[in-house]
Amino acid sequence: DQQVKQNSPSLSVQEGRISILNCDYTNSMFDYFLWYKKYPAEGPTFLISISSIKDKNEDGRFTVFLNKSAKHLSLHIVPSQPGDSAVYFCAASRISVGDMRFGAGTRLTVKP
Amino acid sequence: DGGITQSPKYLFRKEGQNVTLSCEQNLNHDAMYWYRQDPGQGLRLIYYSQIVNDFQKGDIAEGYSVSREKKESFPLTVTSAQKNPTAFYLCASSRTGRVTDQPQHFGDGTRLSIL
Repeated sequence: DQQVKQNSPSLSVQEGRISILNCDYTNSMFDYFLWYKKYPAEGPTFLISISSIKDKNEDGRFTVFLNKSAKHLSLHIVPSQPGDSAVYFCAASRISVGDMRFGAGTRLTVKP
Repeated sequence: DGGITQSPKYLFRKEGQNVTLSCEQNLNHDAMYWYRQDPGQGLRLIYYSQIVNDFQKGDIAEGYSVSREKKESFPLTVTSAQKNPTAFYLCASSRTGRVTDQPQHFGDGTRLSIL
């Protein structure tokens, strides 16, 4: 069963605009959430995370929002740059990394 | 440069053969992981190890085996019992097994195909 879902397989935005990537989860026991970015032929790299005690975490152009009641999180990229074009994976976990579950990913394309 | 090395990048296997994927890290991380990625699906955990000489099954361990004899190395064997081994395999490591301590570092993956 898919406990973490990214319902948009792809997203295309214009350079300079905002990119919003969404993720839903079903397990209320998850209390830590992460976003990874993956370029072709490379492994994923960590982007940003958020604990369930917060509803927002910001790091430069990247902000993650968490809505626990809706079991929903989103990643905002402002402003979007062509170099942001990649596949973005959402992940949710309990305390052990062995509990982590990943979404299927969203391919973001930022057009110049 | 510290990191995770997976080899080979591409691997071909004949039906009925076992094949071993290599994963080496020089990050001095205690925990290591193997994931499988299929098109349209997220990463699924095969096995993980939080310490040398110990490992646990993930969600899709059937048809796979691992060993953790050294801290730096966590090889994955895809056995002939794995019915659909064609996939992209990713190895990862983290300082500890606690998700809040430090995010995982991933290798660049091995793509396994059946001939």
